[in-house]
Amino acid sequence: ETGVTQSPTHLIKTRGQQVTLRCSSQSGHNTVSWYQQALGQGPQFIFQYYREEENGRGNFPPRFSGLQFPNYSSELNVNALELDDSALYLCACSLASTDTQYFGPGTRLTVL
Amino acid sequence: GENVEQHPSTLSVQEGDSAVIKCTYSDSASNYFPWYKQELGKGPQLIIDIRSNVGEKKDQRIAVTLNKTAKHFSLHITETQPEDSAVYFCAASGDTGRRALTFGSGTRLQVQP
Repeated sequence: ETGVTQSPTHLIKTRGQQVTLRCSSQSGHNTVSWYQQALGQGPQFIFQYYREEENGRGNFPPRFSGLQFPNYSSELNVNALELDDSALYLCACSLASTDTQYFGPGTRLTVL
Repeated sequence: GENVEQHPSTLSVQEGDSAVIKCTYSDSASNYFPWYKQELGKGPQLIIDIRSNVGEKKDQRIAVTLNKTAKHFSLHITETQPEDSAVYFCAASGDTGRRALTFGSGTRLQVQP
């Protein structure tokens, strides 16, 4: 158990809708990274949050946005959903002073 | 940016045999190399990691080696067991402060009883 939780477990949306995914860590990890994992592929870095600010972003459009709260929990928001957004969304928590990232179980998003 | 290639994509071994998975990376600035195990329906679980100032690290049946000159690193699992069956991912990072992980494409390991 990594102590990282994500909600919801599964989600079905239609094209054009908006979605919010949530992540929290029980162990006080102050840095949260979000990854998208398409079926049969490795996770791809979306962005990272530290001290409630975005601290680096991968090759994802602005309709992917996020928030981090004072208790270090985080949200990933995706607007104007596209079919290709169907994937497993993973959050990973870490301490800013270390490399080690602990992943949650993920949220499976299906866009119809 | 960083690019990580991983081989093989699938690997089938008999219980008790060894398994080796290899990765190469492109960015010489990368300095942290974790390995994750992902079981069906679960998130990636860190199984071992190595930093660029170390050439080899071992944890019971699992070992990782790093060749900085050749820019490749490998995962070695000895005495494989059926519960080792999963998808394994290598990753690399080097962005100080951000530490975004770049993952390989994964290796599906099947251990036959």
